[in-house]
Amino acid sequence: GQQLNQSPQSMFIQEGEDVSMNCTSSSIFNTWLWYKQDPGEGPVLLIALYKAGELTSNGRLTAQFGITRKDSFLNISASIPSDVGIYFCAGHRNRDDKIIFGKGTRLHILP
Amino acid sequence: DAGITQSPRHKVTETGTPVTLRCHQTENHRYMYWYRQDPGHGLRLIHYSYGVKDTDKGEVSDGYSVSRSKTEDFLLTLESATSSQTSVYFCAISSGTGLVNTEAFFGQGTRLTVV
Repeated sequence: GQQLNQSPQSMFIQEGEDVSMNCTSSSIFNTWLWYKQDPGEGPVLLIALYKAGELTSNGRLTAQFGITRKDSFLNISASIPSDVGIYFCAGHRNRDDKIIFGKGTRLHILP
Repeated sequence: DAGITQSPRHKVTETGTPVTLRCHQTENHRYMYWYRQDPGHGLRLIHYSYGVKDTDKGEVSDGYSVSRSKTEDFLLTLESATSSQTSVYFCAISSGTGLVNTEAFFGQGTRLTVV
């Protein structure tokens, strides 16, 4: 089935560092979504992107909808301890299509 | 927070018994989804619905059935529970505008253990 290739699978960074993760697909998507999941909780939406080339920020988070519509990235600036968690990319190819998820990027922050 | 309630939040059941998980929404959203989450696999789609009585299979639908008789409820049934169905199950909802489906909002999850 259709997959989103999310990388990296995990990251170990120092507090204060910037983080970048991305998601690619072989198909065109018309919506890209980025979620964060804390332990024991459901995923929470961080940023939604609807237009190719769109760059959207949410505090220290910035995400872009790739111009080819086949990729997206998420950047986190100046990481803090509460950024720890699993980040998922997701998207729709069209309105009645199911949401497709990447396998997630697990972010660890070293003391 | 989006109005999504999953019930039960935790359940332990025996192998071979039927189990039904409920997802209830108060947002009147058209689309509803059931995912399972297991270590190393991320979120895998079981079934989804794009309207009342309109459902379709996801990538891991074997052993599961769903029903959506009204907009607000999406039921997931494990016809005969197996240990491989021990997992955390998430429901999600989304609306649609024109040709664009919008972001999905997730419930808190149901932790199911099959013994």
